[in-house]
Amino acid sequence: NAGVTQTPKFQVLKTGQSMTLQCAQDMNHEYMSWYRQDPGMGLRLIHYSVGAGITDQGEVPNGYNVSRSTTEDFPLRLLSAAPSQTSVYFCASSTGTGITNTEAFFGQGTRLTVV
Amino acid sequence: KNQVEQSPQSLIILEGKNCTLQCNYTVSPFSNLRWYKQDTGRGPVSLTIMTFSENTKSNGRYTATLDADTKQSSLHITASQLSDSASYICVVTDSNYQLIWGAGTKLIIKP
Repeated sequence: NAGVTQTPKFQVLKTGQSMTLQCAQDMNHEYMSWYRQDPGMGLRLIHYSVGAGITDQGEVPNGYNVSRSTTEDFPLRLLSAAPSQTSVYFCASSTGTGITNTEAFFGQGTRLTVV
Repeated sequence: KNQVEQSPQSLIILEGKNCTLQCNYTVSPFSNLRWYKQDTGRGPVSLTIMTFSENTKSNGRYTATLDADTKQSSLHITASQLSDSASYICVVTDSNYQLIWGAGTKLIIKP
């Protein structure tokens, strides 16, 4: 069972570079989301999607773009990397329209360093 | 501001011992409270979920309690094992279905 697959697992970028973090799920979940996790802080929501073609901003969306052309894929794009975007990024998916009484399934994370 | 505070920040115990992790929240009203376990280098995995009407929920050696009046939850781990070494995160869902995440407690089990 693949579940939620994130690639790459590690990435180093130079300031100003752009890149796409990939996320795919094989559970046919409607709801997908991207979080960043920084030391000493709770997970913070970047963007989320309630279904193909529908995306919305979370708590910390600046500097990131998303799209949802299929149910399975939800890539996160960094437009112009900054050192403040050094973090661990998690993609999650769940049934329904939110991570409420349904369980969220997380990918294993992408550790991004911007130098 | 809605907040979730967890204590302690970190905890070291010997294998076989019990421990209790705390979660205090200011989210009001809230929909549910969930505990996640996050192994190093992995994404969080759900352990338990409780609504405001539930006081206790167990999952094997993990028992979560909730006091909605005092806005406190605890996660009790019985007879700890080396595999329990992880971060434990408390997450509260508010009435707008927004998730408020705690920073987690890092638990280390020593043999």
